[in-house]
Amino acid sequence: DTAVSQTPKYLVTQMGNDKSIKCEQNLGHDTMYWYKQDSKKFLKIMFSYNNKELIINETVPNRFSPKSPDKAHLNLHINSLELGDSAVYFCASSHRGSGSTGELFFGEGSRLTVL
Amino acid sequence: DAKTTQPTSMDCAEGRAANLPCNHSTISGNEYVYWYRQIHSQGPQYIIHGLKNNETNEMASLIITEDRKSSTLILPHATLRDTAVYYCIVRLNTGKLIFGQGTTLQVKP
Repeated sequence: DTAVSQTPKYLVTQMGNDKSIKCEQNLGHDTMYWYKQDSKKFLKIMFSYNNKELIINETVPNRFSPKSPDKAHLNLHINSLELGDSAVYFCASSHRGSGSTGELFFGEGSRLTVL
Repeated sequence: DAKTTQPTSMDCAEGRAANLPCNHSTISGNEYVYWYRQIHSQGPQYIIHGLKNNETNEMASLIITEDRKSSTLILPHATLRDTAVYYCIVRLNTGKLIFGQGTTLQVKP
């Protein structure tokens, strides 16, 4: 069973389109994240939700809108896609409670290519 | 910005110990040091973490200096499958992990 699963794994689309990436975790964690890894391989945090509430919102264009329908899901919707949005997007989850190691569990990534 | 600095790349012979250094001279007293690795095209994988004491698990050992300004990740018997980018991260009090550029470890036969 996959702990953190993302769909789709690959996404190729045209500039200006709107697309979504979905993420689900079956670990019972209360916190989920979206990271972006660009062509230079830098991993940057974008958002974090704890129990469906936004707790980290880095300097990300408002074309990116995360949505957490429940604590097991965190979806990423991107409007008006631009060339610079091409990257691998990683979803992750962790448990923030007392006694937690703070370990992040990452999904396998969703490679977005904007043409 | 990442609070850690690591060498860009390292080589290690298969079967030998791989020692990956990390500097974190601005670490605060209650911030943890985490190590992750990313094998090509996969999601990052947790390895180990520590605060002050040295730590060991089934994957690696973590040696933290007494002043906590640097640490070393040790893979005791490196295999070809250990070839990856290794990230040393200081976990902020907010819980946020900020990844740096990491060390690309190449394990050679």
